[in-house]
Amino acid sequence: AQSVAQPEDQVNVAEGNPLTVKCTYSVSGNPYLFWYVQYPNRGLQFLLKYITGDNLVKGSYGFEAEFNKSQTSFHLKKPSALVSDSALYFCAVRGFSSGYSTLTFGKGTMLLVSP
Amino acid sequence: DVKVTQSSRYLVKRTGEKVFLECVQDMDHENMFWYRQDPGLGLRLIYFSYDVKMKEKGDIPEGYSVSREKKERFSLILESASTNQTSMYLCASRRSGPYSYNEQFFGPGTRLTVL
Repeated sequence: AQSVAQPEDQVNVAEGNPLTVKCTYSVSGNPYLFWYVQYPNRGLQFLLKYITGDNLVKGSYGFEAEFNKSQTSFHLKKPSALVSDSALYFCAVRGFSSGYSTLTFGKGTMLLVSP
Repeated sequence: DVKVTQSSRYLVKRTGEKVFLECVQDMDHENMFWYRQDPGLGLRLIYFSYDVKMKEKGDIPEGYSVSREKKERFSLILESASTNQTSMYLCASRRSGPYSYNEQFFGPGTRLTVL
């Protein structure tokens, strides 16, 4: 079965500094990987995905993610953090349930950006 | 833009009540999903539907059922609500595709409290 690990419950970073939110995965076959963000009292919003091709994927709001097959990782990054980036971030991997494609989510990482 | 709406943002019910959570999407998506979100556990898949009249169990279906009579609407039913079903419930939809890597679009969530 597929799984996702987000080893940090919380990441703290100062505004203007680079940020990284870590994600590792386990899946059979080719990995399809996703990042979502959840702002307070809101649903999840799609940020970016890796399907194939370039290991560096660019997404919404200036975020990017680096796919590393040998380390089975898909870390989310941003060169310069904003206070408004403070939110809950979820990594997900495509898997299968009863033969149908589903997503398995990590437990989430809270990102806090201080002014 | 895809819009996924959920019937209530906040809901308070009593133990033993039958509870209906409704989800509607306006982009003609074939696939729909119900998750529950709990702190420290991330998102867990309850049920999903790949097309009208079709339903499949996810990872935690016990105590829940679903209905999909129309393509745009996916209902989650708690036959007899219990306190351990107090949670945030998230609905999502996705366009079907040959490689199943399309992203899911989420509704704002329903925070259900069972007393």
